[in-house]
Amino acid sequence: DAKTTQPPSMDCAEGRAANLPCNHSTISGNEYVYWYRQIHSQGPQYIIHGLKNNETNEMASLIITEDRKSSTLILPHATLRDTAVYYCIVRGGATNKLIFGTGTLLAVQP
Amino acid sequence: NAGVTQTPKFQVLKTGQSMTLQCAQDMNHEYMSWYRQDPGMGLRLIHYSVGAGITDQGEVPNGYNVSRSTTEDFPLRLLSAAPSQTSVYFCASSPRGPYSGNTIYFGEGSWLTVV
Repeated sequence: DAKTTQPPSMDCAEGRAANLPCNHSTISGNEYVYWYRQIHSQGPQYIIHGLKNNETNEMASLIITEDRKSSTLILPHATLRDTAVYYCIVRGGATNKLIFGTGTLLAVQP
Repeated sequence: NAGVTQTPKFQVLKTGQSMTLQCAQDMNHEYMSWYRQDPGMGLRLIHYSVGAGITDQGEVPNGYNVSRSTTEDFPLRLLSAAPSQTSVYFCASSPRGPYSGNTIYFGEGSWLTVV
């Protein structure tokens, strides 16, 4: 199962774009990259996922490098409510296991 | 967190007691799993199931049992509770696919304290 590496914490000014990096250098060809976030001790909230191509939805954009060894989650206009722990997860293969890393604590500053 | 229901939300156990955390989903998802989250830590996979009658171990299975007799339910049993099992437990479900890009849905969590 591919592992992920994320910086433990990041700061971002309110209204600016937040760019959260993730390294998944051992990712396999059939494994997807997922991003979730967790506010306090609530259940993880789905943000976005992708396989090869860049993806965008109403919450965020996901940029995956051509070699798929790393990705970046972009929150285009961060607000105080985006302060949370963000998890980058690789999922796929025959067992579909979902393995969480330690995540990045994003602190959005006013 | 639509469709994944966990009970109870809060529970206090004495060391050595047994209990079952319930998880139910009404989305006809084949894949279900249990995670635990200790203070300041990420989620760790305990057990998972890819369909009724099929279960497998995750990263931290010791002290826990699971079964999957129906598609809807995936209970987690603590056989003999220990203080080290004090944690928040999350259940998750998703449609299954061999190369799945399906969204995974999480429950709201069950807070367990073992004294």
